[in-house]
Amino acid sequence: AQSVTQLDSHVSVSEGTPVLLRCNYSSSYSPSLFWYVQHPNKGLQLLLKYTSAATLVKGINGFEAEFKKSETSFHLTKPSAHMSDAAEYFCVVRAWFGNQFYFGTGTSLTVIP
Amino acid sequence: DADVTQTPRNRITKTGKRIMLECSQTKGHDRMYWYRQDPGLGLRLIYYSFDVKDINKGEISDGYSVSRQAQAKFSLSLESAIPNQTALYFCAVRDRTQETQYFGPGTRLLVL
Repeated sequence: AQSVTQLDSHVSVSEGTPVLLRCNYSSSYSPSLFWYVQHPNKGLQLLLKYTSAATLVKGINGFEAEFKKSETSFHLTKPSAHMSDAAEYFCVVRAWFGNQFYFGTGTSLTVIP
Repeated sequence: DADVTQTPRNRITKTGKRIMLECSQTKGHDRMYWYRQDPGLGLRLIYYSFDVKDINKGEISDGYSVSRQAQAKFSLSLESAIPNQTALYFCAVRDRTQETQYFGPGTRLLVL
């Protein structure tokens, strides 16, 4: 079975400081992992994905995530937050042969000027 | 970008009414999905389809039905809407050879 736990429902950071959004997954098989971002009143946009290649994945807008199998984690980071990063972020898992994608409950990121 | 469109974008209906939400795509992706989003719950899968003849239930299919009229179109129906079905609904598409899902802009549904 696959599942995702996003450890923080809300994160607040000051502009220019690092961002860390935490995600732990559970998967019976080798997973594919994704981070999506949803800006207010918008659809979901793919930030980055891990599909069994390099464990450190770089995405758009300066975000990156590291797949750590021993910790079953896929945390999202960014060195310096920008006001435009304020949004809802979703961690998603899929077993490599699976048909379904499982979403975390989301983390709302607030960026303080 | 998979050019996924959803209609309507917003809909208000009354309890007991039948409504249909439509999704269409222009890039010929074979897999299509319907999700609902509720605050604090993330996205949950309602139905998915791998081609016109292949329809599968997701996590929360009760109270919903779907139709894959063509490769490019996947409709979600609420036969008798209830207030509990008030949510934001997303359609997504994917190629069998690709990992990534591409999402439509969403339909905001309010059931009174």
